[in-house]
Amino acid sequence: GDSVTQMEGPVTLSEEAFLTINCTYTATGYPSLFWYVQYPGEGLQLLLKATKADDKGSNKGFEATYRKETTSFHLEKGSVQVSDSAVYFCALDGQAGTALIFGKGTTLSVSS
Amino acid sequence: EAEVAQSPRYKITEKSQAVAFWCDPISGHATLYWYRQILGQGPELLVQFQDESVVDDSQLPKDRFSAERLKGVDSTLKIQPAELGDSAMYLCASSLEGGASYEQYFGPGTRLTVT
Repeated sequence: GDSVTQMEGPVTLSEEAFLTINCTYTATGYPSLFWYVQYPGEGLQLLLKATKADDKGSNKGFEATYRKETTSFHLEKGSVQVSDSAVYFCALDGQAGTALIFGKGTTLSVSS
Repeated sequence: EAEVAQSPRYKITEKSQAVAFWCDPISGHATLYWYRQILGQGPELLVQFQDESVVDDSQLPKDRFSAERLKGVDSTLKIQPAELGDSAMYLCASSLEGGASYEQYFGPGTRLTVT
C-alpha cells in the first residue's frame, strides 16, 4: 500500500541555519504531497502542498519540490527561526484520493 | 477564523470503561475525518464521513469503536471498552469535500490516557 518515510529526528539547529527534512513516498498513481506542521499544544496545520510532478510548494519560507523520479518531497528552509520549532509531517493522499497517509513526523528544535 | 472544535481536550479513563469524544467541524464542511495519533507516530485514519454517511471505516476497530455523524454536522467517536493500547491523541479534521483539492483543517485533538 501507499506509504511515507521521513527522516528520523529530532533535528536540532541553531537559528539561521539551513533546514532539510527528507521525505520519500511509495504510491500507485500520482498522489498529491503535503507537509503539515504541529506546534506544541496545537492541531496540525497545512504548511504547503504540491499536486503534480515538478510542482514546488512554498509557504513561510519553507519549500518542497515534488520529484517523481526520486519519489521524494524534501522540506527545506534557508534560515530557520526559534518559532519554527515544531513537529513536521510529510503526507500524501491515499489511493481513494481522500484520507491522508502520514509519515511518522520529524521534530525540529531551533535554539537561539 | 473558523476552527474545528473538539472536546474534551484531555481524558483519563480506566480500562474497560466507555469514553466518547466530540467534534464540531467548520461550518459548511461536508467531509469529516477522525484520525488516531499514537505517540511518536503520524496520524492514521479511523473513519471518514461524507455528510452523515461513512465513506471509509476500514481501519476502525469495530468491535470496540463506533462513530456517528447523525445530522451531517458534528460527530461523536466512542470507545467501549477502552484498552491500554487506545492511549493516543484523537484528531478530528474537516474539509469542504473529500479529495486532495480540498484542504483538511484539524482540531486540537483529544489526548486519551487509559490506565
